[in-house]
Amino acid sequence: AQTVTQSQPEMSVQEAETVTLSCTYDTSESDYYLFWYKQPPSRQMILVIRQEAYKQQNATENRFSVNFQKAAKSFSLKISDSQLGDAAMYFCAYIRRDAGNMLTFGGGTRLMVKP
Amino acid sequence: DTGVSQNPRHKITKRGQNVTFRCDPISEHNRLYWYRQTLGQGPEFLTYFQNEAQLEKSRLLSDRFSAERPKGSFSTLEIQRTEQGDSAMYLCASSLGRYNSPLHFGNGTRLTVT
Repeated sequence: AQTVTQSQPEMSVQEAETVTLSCTYDTSESDYYLFWYKQPPSRQMILVIRQEAYKQQNATENRFSVNFQKAAKSFSLKISDSQLGDAAMYFCAYIRRDAGNMLTFGGGTRLMVKP
Repeated sequence: DTGVSQNPRHKITKRGQNVTFRCDPISEHNRLYWYRQTLGQGPEFLTYFQNEAQLEKSRLLSDRFSAERPKGSFSTLEIQRTEQGDSAMYLCASSLGRYNSPLHFGNGTRLTVT
C-alpha cells in the first residue's frame, strides 16, 4: 500500500520569507502523480501544484515550486515570498496511474505566516 | 464554474440516528468522490463514482454507509445508526475522467454525533 508522510505537523514563516514543507512517500510504482493541496481555515481544499513522476523537471507555479527527488521518494514544497494568505493546512498527495483517482493524502502540515 | 457544493455545512445528530449529505459536483465532471477527514488529519478515501457507477469503495465504508449518484449528477452519502466515531468532516470532490485531473473539493459537511 502507498503511504504519504509529512513529518512537520506545524511550520511558521515570516512574511516575505521562504519556507519548505517536506513530504515523503512509499511506492513500488514508477508511473504516478504527486500533488500539494492547500486547505485554508474553514475553506475548501484547492490544488497548489502537481508533478508527474516521469518528468525530471521540478514543477513551478508562481511562488510555489517543488523539489522532486524520485529516487529518494521525496516531494517538498517551497513557498517563496510568503504572504499572510498562504497560512493554511498543506497536504501532500499521491496517485498512481491506474488508481482511478484515489488520492492518498499525508497527514498535513499547518503553516503559520507571521506578519 | 459554480464549484462543488455540499449540503448541509454542519449536521449535529444523536447517536443512532440516520443522516444524509448531498454533493453537487461541477457539471462537466464525470467523477465524484467522497472523503472523510478527522481533525488534524488528511482526507481518507471513502468511495468514488464514474457517472452513475460506484467503482470503488474503501474498507472504511462500513455497511452503515451508502452512497448513490443517480443519473450521474448529484450524489448522496447516507450514514445509518450513527456512532460517535462517525464525527468528522465529509468532503466531496469531482474531477474530469483522467487519472491526473485535479480534484475540485467542496467545503465539506461537518458531522457531530452526540
